[in-house]
Amino acid sequence: DQQVKQNSPSLSVQEGRISILNCDYTNSMFDYFLWYKKYPAEGPTFLISISSIKDKNEDGRFTVFLNKSAKHLSLHIVPSQPGDSAVYFCAAHGSGNTGKLIFGQGTTLQVKP
Amino acid sequence: DAGVTQSPTHLIKTRGQQVTLRCSPKSGHDTVSWYQQALGQGPQFIFQYYEEEERQRGNFPDRFSGHQFPNYSSELNVNALLLGDSALYLCASSLVFYEQYFGPGTRLTVT
Repeated sequence: DQQVKQNSPSLSVQEGRISILNCDYTNSMFDYFLWYKKYPAEGPTFLISISSIKDKNEDGRFTVFLNKSAKHLSLHIVPSQPGDSAVYFCAAHGSGNTGKLIFGQGTTLQVKP
Repeated sequence: DAGVTQSPTHLIKTRGQQVTLRCSPKSGHDTVSWYQQALGQGPQFIFQYYEEEERQRGNFPDRFSGHQFPNYSSELNVNALLLGDSALYLCASSLVFYEQYFGPGTRLTVT
C-alpha cells in the first residue's frame, strides 16, 4: 500500500508565478515530513522539512504547509524560477523509527520562462 | 565540505552475479541509509546502518546485505542478481535521523 502519495505526476507553471506541489499520506503516526528536489543524474536534494506539531515552515522561497486533519501537505515555491524545474518528492518519517523515510512517487515541475 | 559520495557511477552486471556498491557519508554524519529507486518511482528504503550495525531494514530480501566501517562509510551488497534489481541505488547520510542527505547514486543494470 502506498502510504505517501503524490497524485499529480507533473505540473507546469510560468516563471514568477507560484508553484504548489501536493502530497497526501495515510499514516497518522508520521512525525516528520520532508521535501526533496531531484535533477536528472543527481541524487535527491533536501529542501525543507516540517514537524507534525507544526502547520507551516518557511525557508526563503519555499514554504511547506501541513494539514494533519486532512493528512495533506503542500510545498509552495514563490516566485518560481526556471532552475526550479525538477522532480519533487515528498517523504514521511514514522515516529518510533530511526530514519526510514517513505517517499511519494514524485511530481515533475516545469517552470517556463 | 564534500557531500555524500558513491561509487561506481554506473554498473552493468549479469543475472546471478553479485555486486558491491560503496558510499562515503557527508562529513560529520554517522548514519548511512540505502534506498532503491526504480524508474518513475520514489526511493524505497533498503536498510540503515549506525555504529556498524544494521539498525532498521525495509522490505527487501536477504540477498541485500550491507556493512558499515569504523569511518562511517558503507557498502551495499546484492547477491544472485535479478533483472528486477536494475535501479538507481541511493545512499543517504544523516546526523539528525530524519534529515537525510543523498549521494548521486549508482545506476545498476542487470542483463
